[in-house]
Amino acid sequence: DAKTTQPPSMDCAEGRAANLPCNHSTISGNEYVYWYRQIHSQGPQYIIHGLKNNETNEMASLIITEDRKSSTLILPHATLRDTAVYYCIVSGAGGTSYGKLTFGQGTILTVHP
Amino acid sequence: KAGVTQTPRYLIKTRGQQVTLSCSPISGHRSVSWYQQTPGQGLQFLFEYFSETQRNKGNFPGRFSGRQFSNSRSEMNVSTLELGDSALYLCASTGGFGQGAYGYTFGSGTRLTVV
Repeated sequence: DAKTTQPPSMDCAEGRAANLPCNHSTISGNEYVYWYRQIHSQGPQYIIHGLKNNETNEMASLIITEDRKSSTLILPHATLRDTAVYYCIVSGAGGTSYGKLTFGQGTILTVHP
Repeated sequence: KAGVTQTPRYLIKTRGQQVTLSCSPISGHRSVSWYQQTPGQGLQFLFEYFSETQRNKGNFPGRFSGRQFSNSRSEMNVSTLELGDSALYLCASTGGFGQGAYGYTFGSGTRLTVV
């Protein structure tokens, strides 16, 4: 699976958009970009994923650059409950990727009042 | 619908003992994965089961094993416990044949302390 690079920490004011970047320059054509978050002492929570098109769901938006070498997770109106570690993961759909999410260190997002 | 259920939530064991952790996936999910989370190593993949077959395995010693039953419930076993096995053990499940079209749903984990 391709390696990802994320900033170790970011701050955001409550109510503002949080934009979390991720670099994945070695991503291959059949690999997806996944975003998960983990609130302290809980299991990771799936947020969103995409292959090459931008995606949006009730939680967030995912913007993937045209060359697919980087992406941005957008939380449109951050709340205090969004304070968590956010993981950007690149993974294939089968074979050696079955069940395997390679978690890096992630980005600690702190939302301030 | 019910989420991924892991039991027990907390466990204290002595070095040298063995332990079995249980995971009940979301109803209908056939893929179950296990992860170990420690402060030093972060989240690391242990293994994945689908329809009672292990399809993928991480880089852990043979003391770590697992199995999946016909109802998709899964157990993992750690034999000859070491202090370094103290960790949060997480289970995750997904529908379909793999993660390509779905995200994984994680349980709350089992906190294992080895003394």
